[in-house]
Amino acid sequence: SQELEQSPQSLIVQEGKNLTINCTSSKTLYGLYWYKQKYGEGLIFLMMLQKGGEEKSHEKITAKLDEKKQQSSLHITASQPSHAGIYLCGADKRNYGQNFVFGPGTRLSVLP
Amino acid sequence: GAVVSQHPSWVICKSGTSVKIECRSLDFQATTMFWYRQFPKQSLMLMATSNEGSKATYEQGVEKDKFLINHASLTLSTLTVTSAHPEDSSFYICSAASGHEQYFGPGTRLTVT
Repeated sequence: SQELEQSPQSLIVQEGKNLTINCTSSKTLYGLYWYKQKYGEGLIFLMMLQKGGEEKSHEKITAKLDEKKQQSSLHITASQPSHAGIYLCGADKRNYGQNFVFGPGTRLSVLP
Repeated sequence: GAVVSQHPSWVICKSGTSVKIECRSLDFQATTMFWYRQFPKQSLMLMATSNEGSKATYEQGVEKDKFLINHASLTLSTLTVTSAHPEDSSFYICSAASGHEQYFGPGTRLTVT
């Protein structure tokens, strides 16, 4: 089965600092999704990347997918306490969102 | 945007009883729905993929007879936890697929006493 790894496992940053979370796959990704979650709450979809070299931004969050489509990074600029939570990358096992796997998650804490 | 609801949002049941959780796509038709469970401080784990009108596909290690999934219509999938035990206590989340996107429900917290 396709496995996803994330690094770091946890991250504590001071408010205002930039940070990057990485997601690595052992296989070529058909689609790579980034989600944010606070424990016990539903996932918040952040963005999806499909094409090699693709980059998307939403507010202060930028996600990139490398050319080989095996690694993605999520970058947060000028972090805020509201960015705190668990960030999960997810990927399709097959095309069009069928059978989905998640990475182990990265727990982000932002200190005011 | 697309909305997925779950009912109930939380439930407490006694050991040995069965609990049904509903997942509904409110404003779109979902041929595929997914069921996940999450333990504290852990990532979501896919339990099964539910396709409308056919049997669900279960992930390895998930007991089919214990976690009954029914996808009777394009807007409703149900997960029934049969003969629940305290170790089944968890947070259950469903999602519904629409094209390339997955929309997640708010989750159901199950506590088995």
